[in-house]
Amino acid sequence: DQQVKQNSPSLSVQEGRISILNCDYTNSMFDYFLWYKKYPAEGPTFLISISSIKDKNEDGRFTVFLNKSAKHLSLHIVPSQPGDSAVYFCAASAEKETSGSRLTFGEGTQLTVNP
Amino acid sequence: DTAVSQTPKYLVTQMGNDKSIKCEQNLGHDTMYWYKQDSKKFLKIMFSYNNKELIINETVPNRFSPKSPDKAHLNLHINSLELGDSAVYFCASSQWTRPYEQYFGPGTRLTVT
Repeated sequence: DQQVKQNSPSLSVQEGRISILNCDYTNSMFDYFLWYKKYPAEGPTFLISISSIKDKNEDGRFTVFLNKSAKHLSLHIVPSQPGDSAVYFCAASAEKETSGSRLTFGEGTQLTVNP
Repeated sequence: DTAVSQTPKYLVTQMGNDKSIKCEQNLGHDTMYWYKQDSKKFLKIMFSYNNKELIINETVPNRFSPKSPDKAHLNLHINSLELGDSAVYFCASSQWTRPYEQYFGPGTRLTVT
């Protein structure tokens, strides 16, 4: 029972264009959502997050959109750079459960940005 | 000055053996975690400790026993290793007040033969 799903295992974009990574969730108790980025042979690193009370959060080139009615979130990277090539994990948490420390991860999307 | 470190990075062992993976963080965090990334690449939480107290214990075989001697360390001991235990194990840490921003170690690739 995978509660967080990333249906695209891979995405390839051209440098300078927009990358859009998608994530769907099924648990309506989730109220906080995050994106992590992972390079090979390293652990995931926190990228950006959004609370369920918001529908958009922006940090530099990265923007996360949340559509609660569709139980869908997306990460936009504009402009994409070759250094953004990595696996991106979507994660979700229900704050009322263990104060939010239990993260449920999706299976990841491999982003490749071509020069 | 690695923030979250794990040892060893690679571990190859035979079925039935007992092994340990060590984790240390120098970020001053009070919460630490163990995750397992299986062959399908899902990252699943196994355990979480806050100030040396167990707060998350997912459905994990009791062959897995975490130990937190202090806030900066969370070790994972695995008894009677099985083939299905082969995976990458990640340690992570966070501040209790900011649980979502978890800092991960580089992972330990465990191979059971």
